Amino acid sequence: EVQLLESGGGLVQPGGSLRLSCAASGFIFSTSAMSWVRQAPGKGLEWVSSISGSGDSTYYADSVKGRFTISRDKSKNTMYLQMNSLRAEDTAVYYCAKGGVGVQFDPWGQGTLVTVSS
Amino acid sequence: DIQMTQSPSSLSASVGDRVTITCRASQSISIYLNWYQQKPGKAPKLLIYAASSLQSGVPSRFSGSGSGTDFTLTISSLQPEDSATYHCQQSYSTPYTFGQGTKLEIK
Repeated sequence: EVQLLESGGGLVQPGGSLRLSCAASGFIFSTSAMSWVRQAPGKGLEWVSSISGSGDSTYYADSVKGRFTISRDKSKNTMYLQMNSLRAEDTAVYYCAKGGVGVQFDPWGQGTLVTVSS
Repeated sequence: DIQMTQSPSSLSASVGDRVTITCRASQSISIYLNWYQQKPGKAPKLLIYAASSLQSGVPSRFSGSGSGTDFTLTISSLQPEDSATYHCQQSYSTPYTFGQGTKLEIK
């Protein structure tokens, strides 16, 4: 069974940093594109970033480019999202998902809440 | 960026009704269109990919159609458990944009 488990969310002050993790199991992680999608409270879904299976190619939404970095560790079957210079508008539930890079997102993790507030 | 517009934003229907939700892309996306169902407090779940392919395990009352710029999600006979928000998403090019969502309520 494919499983994705996010961790690392929490409360952070504006301008601060946070690193999210997504632990994957049940599929061949090293060949699968992976993505982050977020959802602000009461709002719709927003794609944040994707990374190719090899990790050689990364893609970002303009709203996070230059502040967020996506990466993956094949030895740990884990994907990361390093978030720097956080803003109030980054407050959201962050989901990791298998896929992206031209294909559908499936499945999704349960999500981790990031709150940016002083 | 490709804009995705869903309609309606919300609707209310009765058990057994046929329900259709539409999604329009601001430019042609071929069949790179996916549909997700999201229930409150839960992660989205893939229903339809590549415009009309039913994801494994999804009930056959769900179907998708369309290509180019106009797409539809149809529920042939609405069930109580179908109460949810439905999102379309294009996977044609980055940024991978979503529609604003359609909230479906059961009367």
